[in-house]
Amino acid sequence: NAGVTQTPKFQVLKTGQSMTLQCAQDMNHEYMSWYRQDPGMGLRLIHYSVGAGITDQGEVPNGYNVSRSTTEDFPLRLLSAAPSQTSVYFCASSPPNTGELFFGEGSRLTVL
Amino acid sequence: GNSVTQMEGPVTLSEEAFLTINCTYTATGYPSLFWYVQYPGEGLQLLLKATKADDKGSNKGFEATYRKETTSFHLEKGSVQVSDSAVYFCALSKNTGTASKLTFGTGTRLQVTL
Repeated sequence: NAGVTQTPKFQVLKTGQSMTLQCAQDMNHEYMSWYRQDPGMGLRLIHYSVGAGITDQGEVPNGYNVSRSTTEDFPLRLLSAAPSQTSVYFCASSPPNTGELFFGEGSRLTVL
Repeated sequence: GNSVTQMEGPVTLSEEAFLTINCTYTATGYPSLFWYVQYPGEGLQLLLKATKADDKGSNKGFEATYRKETTSFHLEKGSVQVSDSAVYFCALSKNTGTASKLTFGTGTRLQVTL
């Protein structure tokens, strides 16, 4: 019962470094998304994808890139990390038109 | 745009107390409404949902009724347990096309003590 798997769980970066947060799901869900969770802000949508080859921006997309080459994988790339990107990142997947998101356990990122 | 407003936390209750966490929303049309729960160190998981006005969602002793006239979806439980300690998020979805973009509230932390 893997569900949604995120790696790494913890990461510390220096300003300007790049990295990729990995996300994989084994439920054959077409819809996948990335959220960031910040104190007092709830969850905010970064990018989402409705299927392989299709991505779109969410509420806070600046500084992040995504791609969706397969149904299973949806990596999130930080090209030049900034302290404002210190956050907990959650990947989620969903069957179509249900609103029920299945979340990974999160990746805690600190940018110094 | 869409928005969700939740009561400020943290909420601290004794075991077996009655719980209410208020949630109101702003949206055009007829959104679907959700409560998600996040236990310490974990991702969010769906607790309950309601897809149309006057629907009541329920799960694990929690209930919430979709009130269109007051644009509310308050979460209630008659008798909380220590194991209910978590952060609770209210959310709405407009289900545009095949997307399931959710708008979340800021979350309400519940602490239940013995």
